[in-house]
Amino acid sequence: NAGVTQTPKFRVLKTGQSMTLLCAQDMNHEYMYWYRQDPGMGLRLIHYSVGEGTTAKGEVPDGYNVSRLKKQNFLLGLESAAPSQTSVYFCASRRSTGTGAHEQYFGPGTRLTVT
Amino acid sequence: KQEVTQIPAALSVPEGENLVLNCSFTDSAIYNLQWFRQDPGKGLTSLLLIQSSQREQTSGRLNASLDKSSGRSTLYIAASQPGDSATYLCAVRSGGTYKYIFGTGTRLKVLA
Repeated sequence: NAGVTQTPKFRVLKTGQSMTLLCAQDMNHEYMYWYRQDPGMGLRLIHYSVGEGTTAKGEVPDGYNVSRLKKQNFLLGLESAAPSQTSVYFCASRRSTGTGAHEQYFGPGTRLTVT
Repeated sequence: KQEVTQIPAALSVPEGENLVLNCSFTDSAIYNLQWFRQDPGKGLTSLLLIQSSQREQTSGRLNASLDKSSGRSTLYIAASQPGDSATYLCAVRSGGTYKYIFGTGTRLKVLA
């Protein structure tokens, strides 16, 4: 049981390049979230999904797209990276019902630098 | 709009001391509140989750309380140890939403 995994762990992009961050969970959780963490600003929600095939915008969605084609995977895409997107990105998941349903489980993070 | 504040931003205490970390929120209509621990360069680990109908939750040396009317939660750590050194974050889920709003965290250092 790996929990929540994220790939890659580190990445350096040039301005204008694109990339996709992958989040995978093996806990059969319905809800998945993408956050970014910046110094002094805490974690901010980018996009989230309440089930396979659904996505919704969070607090800071501009410049990002997401897809949830399979229940276990949640992809975060940057179409044209900007230096302002330099951050640490965290994925989280949780169940929708049952014991422990509201507890979020986090991945180890992806450290992205855009030059 | 829900806002979550954690004060102080940093705290240093000697080993063995009991301590309290604070989390304040502006909208009392919350669904639940979760406390996390984050070690440097790592992800977040859930410590305690309190539902809006609960007043407190305990796990080992940790006790979290919730007072919705005053918009406040506290995390009490008993007999602190150097291994407790980390950043502690609280996150609030407001009623009627799937979203969690995080505080900026309190960076705790327990000195041996």
